[in-house]
Amino acid sequence: GAVVSQHPSWVICKSGTSVKIECRSLDFQATTMFWYRQFPKQSLMLMATSNEGSKATYEQGVEKDKFLINHASLTLSTLTVTSAHPEDSSFYICSAEGGASRGQETQYFGPGTRLLVL
Amino acid sequence: AQSVTQLGSHVSVSEGALVLLRCNYSSSVPPYLFWYVQYPNQGLQLLLKYTSAATLVKGINGFEAEFKKSETSFHLTKPSAHMSDAAEYFCAVRTGANSKLTFGKGITLSVRP
Repeated sequence: GAVVSQHPSWVICKSGTSVKIECRSLDFQATTMFWYRQFPKQSLMLMATSNEGSKATYEQGVEKDKFLINHASLTLSTLTVTSAHPEDSSFYICSAEGGASRGQETQYFGPGTRLLVL
Repeated sequence: AQSVTQLGSHVSVSEGALVLLRCNYSSSVPPYLFWYVQYPNQGLQLLLKYTSAATLVKGINGFEAEFKKSETSFHLTKPSAHMSDAAEYFCAVRTGANSKLTFGKGITLSVRP
């Protein structure tokens, strides 16, 4: 139980294009989802908190116009990297709160999406 | 404010040896504590969590951790290391459902044949 999927698992794109990453909770409903970025050999950096049906809350230093987050349903959140540049290349990981059945204090993570911008 | 300290960046053990990965936390309120494991190019998998019930928590793959309030620690142990345990391990703390999950910097576990 508590499975979170991400799609795509990896993507290569040209500089200036936009890329959308999907995060789904497969067997539970998630009111709150999170988006993290991870650089090589480093810990996870929280980018934003996504609540179903409302605007995302971005961490300081994260450009909300560059990293568009939509949480349209209780099982789906999307991250769109707009006008991607090489410095946006990274490993993006989403997580979802477990809710009443699996513990609202617990975050379950997706497998991550590797983005490479050429 | 909450924080997590994972001392050292790399631990190497022999197969069959005890695994001990240290985690100390700082929190102004009773915390929720977590250990996650990350294999190369994958997301994080929950190993175990402490949520104010039993102080000795058993998780998946034979791992367990003990919450010690007096020492502000939540060390992860496994009696006998397996080659498949080689991965990155993250300790994390959260003070409530509406608070951020704060990670330690992670520690790499290597297992020697």
